[in-house]
Amino acid sequence: DARVTQTPRHKVTEMGQEVTMRCQPILGHNTVFWYRQTMMQGLELLAYFRNRAPLDDSGMPKDRFSAEMPDATLATLKIQPSEPRDSAVYFCASGSKGGAANEKLFFGSGTQLSVL
Amino acid sequence: AQKITQTQPGMFVQEKEAVTLDCTYDTSDPSYGLFWYKQPSSGEMIFLIYQGSYDQQNATEGRYSLNFQKARKSANLVISASQLGDSAMYFCAMRDVQGYSTLTFGKGTMLLVSP
Repeated sequence: DARVTQTPRHKVTEMGQEVTMRCQPILGHNTVFWYRQTMMQGLELLAYFRNRAPLDDSGMPKDRFSAEMPDATLATLKIQPSEPRDSAVYFCASGSKGGAANEKLFFGSGTQLSVL
Repeated sequence: AQKITQTQPGMFVQEKEAVTLDCTYDTSDPSYGLFWYKQPSSGEMIFLIYQGSYDQQNATEGRYSLNFQKARKSANLVISASQLGDSAMYFCAMRDVQGYSTLTFGKGTMLLVSP
């Protein structure tokens, strides 16, 4: 059963530390999304890749966040330095229709990040 | 700009009854897709149902159906014969085909099904 794999599932770190979250999209999928979920803001788009090229990262704080796809099987989201306000659940999602309006996204289980 | 509005923070329903979760959207694009996702307490996001803006008929998937009223820009989710396992957060989302075609979510509705 194909699924999006995210690691780690949980991460507790101290303010100022670097955090790296990883995502393995479903094999053959050509779009990858990073979302952040908080109680206050809901689900916010951080980054969007199509065929490994970054298309939209307007929702991502550029000074501390970075997102990359070194290859088709790995997407990473880094926070450096991390801050308590970064505490949230970070979801990765992938799709197979290259950004079409009917493209269903498959979500990973998320990374629960706590920055102390 | 896209906007998704879910006006019901929480809904209660008794087991075996039907429930409607509201969703309105705002877009100037003629071509778009509407989605509903379920998020149980375990945290995963589960796709439920899709409706395209040009689809003539309302989408159905098992006990889920989408009441699509294009002129009113509403895409309400109807769950028939509610089950205890339906208790979860439900998110409405929209995607257009212009620009970067990203998926935008509403704030969600918490559904609680009681025995």
